[in-house]
Amino acid sequence: ETGVTQSPTHLIKTRGQQVTLRCSSQSGHNTVSWYQQALGQGPQFIFQYYREEENGRGNFPPRFSGLQFPNYSSELNVNALELDDSALYLCASSLQVDLEKLFFGSGTQLSVL
Amino acid sequence: AQSVSQHNHHVILSEAASLELGCNYSYGGTVNLFWYVQYPGQHLQLLLKYFSGDPLVKGIKGFEAEFIKSKFSFNLRKPSVQWSDTAEYFCAVNMGSQGNLIFGKGTKLSVKP
Repeated sequence: ETGVTQSPTHLIKTRGQQVTLRCSSQSGHNTVSWYQQALGQGPQFIFQYYREEENGRGNFPPRFSGLQFPNYSSELNVNALELDDSALYLCASSLQVDLEKLFFGSGTQLSVL
Repeated sequence: AQSVSQHNHHVILSEAASLELGCNYSYGGTVNLFWYVQYPGQHLQLLLKYFSGDPLVKGIKGFEAEFIKSKFSFNLRKPSVQWSDTAEYFCAVNMGSQGNLIFGKGTKLSVKP
């Protein structure tokens, strides 16, 4: 077990709707990163939060937004869902920005119909 | 654009066969290199990593990888695979001072008993 939990595990939405995905990081970890893994692809970096501030962003439009809370849990929000947003969304946590000790959750499978 | 290429989409081997999975990246600066494994239904797990030093790195479960800077490669090897190695393998690269990983598309390994 990684100690990183994501909810929900599966979600079905329709095009145009909004969705919120949640991530509880491993105890003591203050950095959370979100990745999108489309079918047949590797994970793609969305953004990273460090101590409640955005600390880097990948090539995703502004309708992908996030939050990190004082307890270091995190949310990923996606507005105006499109069919291509269907993917597995992964959360990863670490203490500081430490890629050597990055722990992934099992992901939320989002289907947009 | 910076990218990571994994040469094989799906590899099928019999138990005890040797494994080599290719990974190349496109970036001329300092890199940190990783191999992750994703067993069916499980989260991404770190197999091994290279930051500096000996370019031949050993990881968990008998896996090793060799960093060849001149070839921009970081190939994964295992002398003798087991049925339990059936999984998807992802090469990932951290480039420069960025705090995120760039993943390849993954290689699905199926080991026949």
